[in-house]
Amino acid sequence: GENVEQHPSTLSVQEGDSAVIKCTYSDSASNYFPWYKQELGKRPQLIIDIRSNVGEKKDQRIAVTLNKTAKHFSLHITETQPEDSAVYFCAARGKTGRRALTFGSGTRLQVQP
Amino acid sequence: GAVVSQHPSRVICKSGTSVKIECRSLDFQATTMFWYRQFPKQSLMLMATSNEGSKATYEQGVEKDKFLINHASLTLSTLTVTSAHPEDSSFYICSAADRGQNTDTQYFGPGTRLTVL
Repeated sequence: GENVEQHPSTLSVQEGDSAVIKCTYSDSASNYFPWYKQELGKRPQLIIDIRSNVGEKKDQRIAVTLNKTAKHFSLHITETQPEDSAVYFCAARGKTGRRALTFGSGTRLQVQP
Repeated sequence: GAVVSQHPSRVICKSGTSVKIECRSLDFQATTMFWYRQFPKQSLMLMATSNEGSKATYEQGVEKDKFLINHASLTLSTLTVTSAHPEDSSFYICSAADRGQNTDTQYFGPGTRLTVL
């Protein structure tokens, strides 16, 4: 099945700096890659997603890039703010017909004011 | 946007009892819902895929007789933890995709924190 690896496990940045989180996946048939933000004790919230026919997508301070050849995708947050502090999960949806997501292990982002 | 609710949000039960958790899509129909389990400071692990009108598909290592799933309508899936034990204590989260819209996006419920004494 699909295997998703995520790095780093923790990330601390100063307010205003950029943060980058990277994920790799194993199933070359995967075609959908969402990123979720989860605050303590709350539900994961979709922040951005990308499909395999696109190499990059941006939404204000958040961007995601996808390299299908290398099977990796990254989340970029610019001009970080303290409220960006949370756990971020990448995910991948594997083979056609199986719509379940496989999640990475998560990255705890801490933005220092 | 699409909203998924879960009930209860928190439950404490004695070992050996059964607990039912409901997952509802409030403003859309979901042919498929997913049940995840999340231990503290860990990722979401898929337990099973709930299909409306048919049997659920369980992930390897998940006991289907212990975690009963029923998807009786296009807006409701239930997970019953039977004969719960302390090791079943966890955060259970469901998700659903809107069958009428973008079928890629999954919306998550708020989760149910189960504590088995």
